[in-house]
Amino acid sequence: AQKITQTQPGMFVQEKEAVTLDCTYDTSDPSYGLFWYKQPSSGEMIFLIYQGSYDQQNATEGRYSLNFQKARKSANLVISASQLGDSAMYFCAMREGRGNAGNNRKLIWGLGTSLAVNP
Amino acid sequence: DGGITQSPKYLFRKEGQNVTLSCEQNLNHDAMYWYRQDPGQGLRLIYYSQIVNDFQKGDIAEGYSVSREKKESFPLTVTSAQKNPTAFYLCASRAPGGQPQHFGDGTRLSIL
Repeated sequence: AQKITQTQPGMFVQEKEAVTLDCTYDTSDPSYGLFWYKQPSSGEMIFLIYQGSYDQQNATEGRYSLNFQKARKSANLVISASQLGDSAMYFCAMREGRGNAGNNRKLIWGLGTSLAVNP
Repeated sequence: DGGITQSPKYLFRKEGQNVTLSCEQNLNHDAMYWYRQDPGQGLRLIYYSQIVNDFQKGDIAEGYSVSREKKESFPLTVTSAQKNPTAFYLCASRAPGGQPQHFGDGTRLSIL
């Protein structure tokens, strides 16, 4: 069973508008972390934002915020005031477990959402 | 500037040939990772290393080999046993605790 699901293969947004990219996850571990990465056409993977399962508040990082709904097992990325440079692939990933019994803890990746920002 | 350097950016392999992808980091991270990305796909873990002289297989290790002789370096060899090596390869490293993985710019490997 897929542990990270990104249901939107492609999204379009008008410049300066907000957009939400969906991510649902599946885990039985009470401790986990959720990550969003951006991959421009050049290929590098850029870390955007992190949400821990025990965090009381939704994570925010500049124009990025994470709409974390634990009961629904969703961690949607919200990009406010979209810019042309936001056009890229966006990946949601999950790490299960906590503590350093996992410096090696693996990330489980979704298949990504391609975002195009229109001028 | 601290970061992760992957080289070369593009690499071509002949049939039956082994090729080595370089990954160097100056972030003083203990953990390092190699991923493979195919078109339209997410990342799949090939190998990872927690510490010098130690590494573990990931989900798709067959046809690949690694070494970790230095903290800064984690080279990946794509052997002739890997029958479908054409892909984009990403190297990452991570600081201890709950820190995110940070990535290099990737190497695109193609078959001649």
